[in-house]
Amino acid sequence: DADVTQTPRNRITKTGKRIMLECSQTKGHDRMYWYRQDPGLGLRLIYYSFDVKDINKGEISDGYSVSRQAQAKFSLSLESAIPNQTALYFCATSKPGSSSNTGELFFGEGSRLTVL
Amino acid sequence: DQQVKQNSPSLSVQEGRISILNCDYTNSMFDYFLWYKKYPAEGPTFLISISSIKDKNEDGRFTVFLNKSAKHLSLHIVPSQPGDSAVYFCAATAGFGNEKLTFGTGTRLTIIP
Repeated sequence: DADVTQTPRNRITKTGKRIMLECSQTKGHDRMYWYRQDPGLGLRLIYYSFDVKDINKGEISDGYSVSRQAQAKFSLSLESAIPNQTALYFCATSKPGSSSNTGELFFGEGSRLTVL
Repeated sequence: DQQVKQNSPSLSVQEGRISILNCDYTNSMFDYFLWYKKYPAEGPTFLISISSIKDKNEDGRFTVFLNKSAKHLSLHIVPSQPGDSAVYFCAATAGFGNEKLTFGTGTRLTIIP
């Protein structure tokens, strides 16, 4: 079983609809992230959370909101989806970086969202 | 403003030869760099990292070189194997422990048998 699980894996929706992408993790990490991947643009950070009571905007937060329901759950919402939010979305987790670990991110398998 | 750049969208290398993937950055505050590998329909997975206090880090067939004065890093894979065919992302962050990574656009590596 995947340590970082995203649902749904694929979703097609229409402009103006509300959509939620969910992420759950069994790694016990405090830090969770949402990234989107677009062709030619790499991965860009949308929101991140360093613990349950901490929510921070990333590079491209406009049009998105998040909720950290528990240490293990971090959901991303599009209140009114638009076509340029069509992308591949990744949830990730990490431990705080230190001399004993690389601070690397552990990614889910991705959620492909298409907004028509 | 793309702070981390991978100027080669794709690269093809013969099996057994060396693959060299390049990455340039513009933000002088970046001091920790990582490479991630991504297969289709999977999330990126961590490959190797380097701190700015070093200029080289090796892990098996993978070596990352850092040239701070040129703001350039490269990933060497030798020998290249078919399973290395994937998209490779370079990423950078400022301050070890700050995991808000800035990613490059990726290079698709194809290993030719």
